[in-house]
Amino acid sequence: EAGVTQFPSHSVIEKGQTVTLRCDPISGHDNLYWYRRVMGKEIKFLLHFVKESKQDESGMPNNRFLAERTGGTYSTLKVQPAELEDSGVYFCASSLGTGDEQYFGPGTRLTVT
Amino acid sequence: LAKTTQPISMDSYEGQEVNITCSHNNIATNDYITWYQQFPSQGPRFIIQGYKTKVTNEVASLFIPADRKSSTLSLPRVSLSDTAVYYCLVGDMKVTGGGNKLTFGTGTQLKVEL
Repeated sequence: EAGVTQFPSHSVIEKGQTVTLRCDPISGHDNLYWYRRVMGKEIKFLLHFVKESKQDESGMPNNRFLAERTGGTYSTLKVQPAELEDSGVYFCASSLGTGDEQYFGPGTRLTVT
Repeated sequence: LAKTTQPISMDSYEGQEVNITCSHNNIATNDYITWYQQFPSQGPRFIIQGYKTKVTNEVASLFIPADRKSSTLSLPRVSLSDTAVYYCLVGDMKVTGGGNKLTFGTGTQLKVEL
């Protein structure tokens, strides 16, 4: 069974540009989460989807971040416009049910220059 | 969410048992204790979860005293491949219907040497 996959693995963009990160959860997992670690700090929760609905987006830092999960399968996280402080590693995780074990992807390393 | 405190780093040798203790003085009644492992360039990976007493699986044991204000992850006979960061998380992770966001602390960097 394939695990959670994320694309790209690494993205380097200039300040002010737009970047879209993609996450493909484990097939059949209704719950999808986004986390990030910025500037060597702790891994922080961003938001949680249940199927295509946003269950909790309390961790989204500001309106430059937009997450979608159309159709309840893969999810995208768009940063527009990117700022220097957005640099870090963005992780996606999925779980079968809310409260079940979360399986993490390898992360996307975003570098904003 | 209960705050957790764990050592920043630990060193060990292959074949030894490693015990990593986590303090969570403000743990709530509904909170579970969960440990994750993270290798460089990978996402965190679930190791074990418990509520009280002792839980054991094929990779680790989790000891939780009666007051639940701390917990100890025990890794038997570690190998070089166990070198990783280990996170202790405390939260109400068995609920349904609500956001089940995980709250990571700084973790413990375990280094295993020959």
